[in-house]
Amino acid sequence: AQSVSQHNHHVILSEAASLELGCNYSYGGTVNLFWYVQYPGQHLQLLLKYFSGDPLVKGIKGFEAEFIKSKFSFNLRKPSVQWSDTAEYFCAFSTAGTALIFGKGTTLSVSS
Amino acid sequence: GAGVSQTPSNKVTEKGKYVELRCDPISGHTALYWYRQSLGQGPEFLIYFQGTGAADDSGLPNDRFFAVRPEGSVSTLKIQRTERGDSAVYLCASSLTDQSEQYFGPGTRLTVT
Repeated sequence: AQSVSQHNHHVILSEAASLELGCNYSYGGTVNLFWYVQYPGQHLQLLLKYFSGDPLVKGIKGFEAEFIKSKFSFNLRKPSVQWSDTAEYFCAFSTAGTALIFGKGTTLSVSS
Repeated sequence: GAGVSQTPSNKVTEKGKYVELRCDPISGHTALYWYRQSLGQGPEFLIYFQGTGAADDSGLPNDRFFAVRPEGSVSTLKIQRTERGDSAVYLCASSLTDQSEQYFGPGTRLTVT
């Protein structure tokens, strides 16, 4: 079955630390990949997306993700987190013309 | 520019009652999606519309759930004979086409007592 695995349920970091959140998907064909973020009290917002082309994708607020096809992975990175990055992060994928399949999410807590 | 809106933001209902949840997509978006998010989980797909027709309803859990989009814009998710297990946040998303990114609304938190 198609699914997304997010390896970290809860990550706690201090400000200025580097961040990497793991994401692996299970599907053998072409995929579109996404990271969504949900800040406290707000709705889901798109952080970045990959449809095709350069596998290193840059998103908003200094986030980036790298698509490694051979590993079915799309890990999210940020070199230096801020307190305002505290949120829940969801990895998701879709195939042509289908709805999104989400992972369970990773809660990021950043202490100042 | 208005985003996706959903009403009501909160709905409390008694077990066995009927509820309707409304979604107003971004103007001009042809694709509309409903998801359900339970505590500690990611959103799970329910149904997807392309225009007025349901292109994929494979995520609806059973026949108590039904959704319509009669004019290709606003959509209503209808739940009959609600059960406590239906309690969740119901999310709506829209996209320009079914190949483009989805924009999410704030959700409706449904509580069945």
